[in-house]
Amino acid sequence: TQLLEQSPQFLSIQEGENLTVYCNSSSVFSSLQWYRQEPGEGPVLLVTVVTGGEVKKLKRLTFQFGDARKDSSLHITAAQTGDTGLYLCARSQGAQKLVFGQGTRLTINP
Amino acid sequence: DTGVSQDPRHKITKRGQNVTFRCDPISEHNRLYWYRQTLGQGPEFLTYFQNEAQLEKSRLLSDRFSAERPKGSFSTLEIQRTEQGDSAMYLCASSSEAGVDTGELFFGEGSRLTVL
Repeated sequence: TQLLEQSPQFLSIQEGENLTVYCNSSSVFSSLQWYRQEPGEGPVLLVTVVTGGEVKKLKRLTFQFGDARKDSSLHITAAQTGDTGLYLCARSQGAQKLVFGQGTRLTINP
Repeated sequence: DTGVSQDPRHKITKRGQNVTFRCDPISEHNRLYWYRQTLGQGPEFLTYFQNEAQLEKSRLLSDRFSAERPKGSFSTLEIQRTEQGDSAMYLCASSSEAGVDTGELFFGEGSRLTVL
């Protein structure tokens, strides 16, 4: 059972466009992680957000943690073909393991 | 390369056969995780070890699945009497104690299982 809902499930846009993907839960997170997974590879951690309202930037990627710590968004500015991949949000459960959402599969077309 | 390595990368087997996957974690990491990922889904937790102790198993891990980490280093995941529904990518990850707090798991490239 996935405790995290990600939307949209699929997104295909042209290079140079902006996009936002979302991660939502009915429960409060102590922290939330965003991972990116490329085909044939394991997921790689992009960022961890901890504080409600926190905004973190990683080059063209902006991550925001909701004030109530129940949701998060990832915004990509001027998308590039190299941004193509599966974007996963995750949260700790019981401080022992990570639980993942089903992911947003992003395709950037040249 | 000192990352997490998994072997084999691909395995095709017939229904009813047994398969075993191996994971070598980052050497200084004491936590090791196994996840399963099917097409279009995020990774689903199967089990994890702290050193050699298996501390949690998901209900997804039926009696046909067994995982070991005998010396607290590498781990194996065995599936007995495979079924077509076992077809998936099996991902291994490791972390340090600090990594658990920040949610930073280091994943291998996965072992893709196809059961015919």
